[in-house]
Amino acid sequence: QKEVEQNSGPLSVPEGAIASLNCTYSDRGSQSFFWYRQYSGKSPELIMFIYSNGDKEDGRFTAQLNKASQYVSLLIRDSQPSDSATYLCAVKMGGGSNYKLTFGKGTLLTVNP
Amino acid sequence: DADVTQTPRNRITKTGKRIMLECSQTKGHDRMYWYRQDPGLGLQLIYYSFDVKDINKGEISDGYSVSRQAQAKFSLSLESAIPNQTALYFCATSGTGVVNNEQFFGPGTRLTVL
Repeated sequence: QKEVEQNSGPLSVPEGAIASLNCTYSDRGSQSFFWYRQYSGKSPELIMFIYSNGDKEDGRFTAQLNKASQYVSLLIRDSQPSDSATYLCAVKMGGGSNYKLTFGKGTLLTVNP
Repeated sequence: DADVTQTPRNRITKTGKRIMLECSQTKGHDRMYWYRQDPGLGLQLIYYSFDVKDINKGEISDGYSVSRQAQAKFSLSLESAIPNQTALYFCATSGTGVVNNEQFFGPGTRLTVL
C-alpha cells in the first residue's frame, strides 16, 4: 500500500525559531508534492507545492525535495504563533490521468510566544 | 466568494437516518473528492469522481454513496447513519493539469450521529 508518513508531533518551537517538518513516501514514482496547513476545525489550505529536487522558497516557507531518499520537508523561518496548526504532506501517486493525492496524517506544530 | 461550498456546515442526526451532504464548486474543475477526517487519522478518501460519468471508491466507501449531478455538484449520502460516521467531512476539487494537481477544499461539514 502506498503510504505517506509524518511525525504526528506535537512539534513545539519558540517564536522566531525555524520549524522543520518532515515527510517520507513509499511510491518512488511520485512526481508532485504538496504541503497544506490546517487550523483546528478548518479546512486544509495549500501552502506550497514542489516537483523538482532541491529547494523551493516562498516567503518564510521553504520546501525541500529529495526523490532519491523519498523525502520532502517544509521549513518555516521566523516562526510565528499564527503558524500553530497541523501541517499535512500530500503526494501525487498514480500515473497518467488516474492519479490521486495521498495525505499523511499531519504534524501538529505549536509556536510558543 | 467561496470557490468550494458545502452544505450543511453542521448536522446532528440520529442512528439510522439518511443524510445527504452537498458540495458545489465554481472553479470549473472536473475532479471532485469526498474525505472524512477523524482526530489522529488524517484525511481518508471516501469517493472521488474524475468527471460526471466516472465515480470511484476510495479507501473507506462502505456505508456511503455519492452522486455527481453535474460538473459542479457532488453529493455524499449516508444511507443509514451510524455513530462511528461522526466526523468532519470535506469536499475537494482539482484540475486536470499535468504538473500540479493541487486540491482545493471546501469549508467542511461537521456531522454528529447520535
